Amino acid sequence: AQSVTQPDARVTVSEGASLQLRCKYSYSATPYLFWYVQYPRQGLQLLLKYYSGDPVVQGVNSFEAEFSKSNSSFHLQKASVHWSDSAVYFCALSPTNSAGNKLTFGIGTRVLVRP
Amino acid sequence: EAAVTQSPRSKVAVTGGKVTLSCHQTNNHDYMYWYRQDTGHGLRLIHYSYVADSTEKGDIPDGYKASRPSQENFSLILELASLSQTAVYFCASSGDRGGQNTLYFGAGTRLSVL
Repeated sequence: AQSVTQPDARVTVSEGASLQLRCKYSYSATPYLFWYVQYPRQGLQLLLKYYSGDPVVQGVNSFEAEFSKSNSSFHLQKASVHWSDSAVYFCALSPTNSAGNKLTFGIGTRVLVRP
Repeated sequence: EAAVTQSPRSKVAVTGGKVTLSCHQTNNHDYMYWYRQDTGHGLRLIHYSYVADSTEKGDIPDGYKASRPSQENFSLILELASLSQTAVYFCASSGDRGGQNTLYFGAGTRLSVL
């Protein structure tokens, strides 16, 4: 069975500072990996995804993530955060051998950006 | 733009009562999903469907039924609501390109069972 671990439940950063959110996964092969963001009282929205090729993927709002097969990780980064980046961020995994997209999510990391 | 609409946005139900959560998508997607969100658990898959009139069990289906009467509509049914089913429920849809697909989520339904 696959799993996703987000070790940090909450992260607080100052506006303009850099941000890194950690994600580790467990799966028998290389999975499809995703980062979703949930703003207050909204559904989840896709930030970026990885399924092959360049291990560094670019997403919306200047977010990027780096896939590491050796470390089973898919960490999310942003060079300079804005107050509007305050949200809950979810890392998710999808098996490569299934139809549809039955995601397995981490518990999420709540990010608070201080002005 | 992809659109998934859930109704109601919030609901208070009594223990033992029947609850129906509705979802409508205008994305022309084959796949639809129901997830529940609990603090400390992230989102967990309850049921999903890849074609009308057919549903599949997800990871936590106990206590829930699903119905897909058409491509656009997908309902989640709690026949006998229990306190443990208090959560936020999200519906999502996706296309048919396998695990690479982006899921498009609705805004969620906050269910409180008293």
